[in-house]
Amino acid sequence: SAVISQKPSRDICQRGTSLTIQCQVDSQVTMMFWYRQQPGQSLTLIATANQGSEATYESGFVIDKFPISRPNLTFSTLTVSNMSPEDSSIYLCSVTSGNSYEQYFGPGTRLTVT
Amino acid sequence: AQTVTQSQPEMSVQEAETVTLSCTYDTSESDYYLFWYKQPPSRQMILVIRQEAYKQQNATENRFSVNFQKAAKSFSLKISDSQLGDAAMYFCAYRALNAGNNRKLIWGLGTSLAVNP
Repeated sequence: SAVISQKPSRDICQRGTSLTIQCQVDSQVTMMFWYRQQPGQSLTLIATANQGSEATYESGFVIDKFPISRPNLTFSTLTVSNMSPEDSSIYLCSVTSGNSYEQYFGPGTRLTVT
Repeated sequence: AQTVTQSQPEMSVQEAETVTLSCTYDTSESDYYLFWYKQPPSRQMILVIRQEAYKQQNATENRFSVNFQKAAKSFSLKISDSQLGDAAMYFCAYRALNAGNNRKLIWGLGTSLAVNP
């Protein structure tokens, strides 16, 4: 399984600002996913990031609000733009590799917007 | 559209006892994967066990086993000899086999498991 790290692990931000979350994997992976999770709730997929192409966003999420970069096969970033208190959540990065059907997760970033 | 249902928001078990968490799903696909993930308070999501739908044999990983009933679209998780470290949120998830470039998981709402000493 891949080892995934995320930075920052947590942050407190003011409304109207932006935060970029980094996801680093210790091996090359095919697909990277960004999720949002409210405490005690299930996961909501924000977008799928493929290297060399535009991210694919799920319904309700737009690129202007959540721009994603995927410059290579081991790294991706998610930016939460123009934040509001409703963006307070845990943001999780996950990956699959090759033909594997398993997804592995990073430790998450806890974001609080005041 | 595929859906995953976990009908037990909360469960509890005595240490060393056995507990079963329920999961049902809806799909028109014949080939797919099913997963159970564990998320302890540290929030690190951990893959517990997986099942390929084309396999009739139920998956087992140490104290964790599944009861996969394909016709009933049921995928329950049994935890034997429960330990305090098993306390966590457990999520059931589904992924179609022939997903092409779309490998996203469909998630249940989770079951919070408490283990009592």
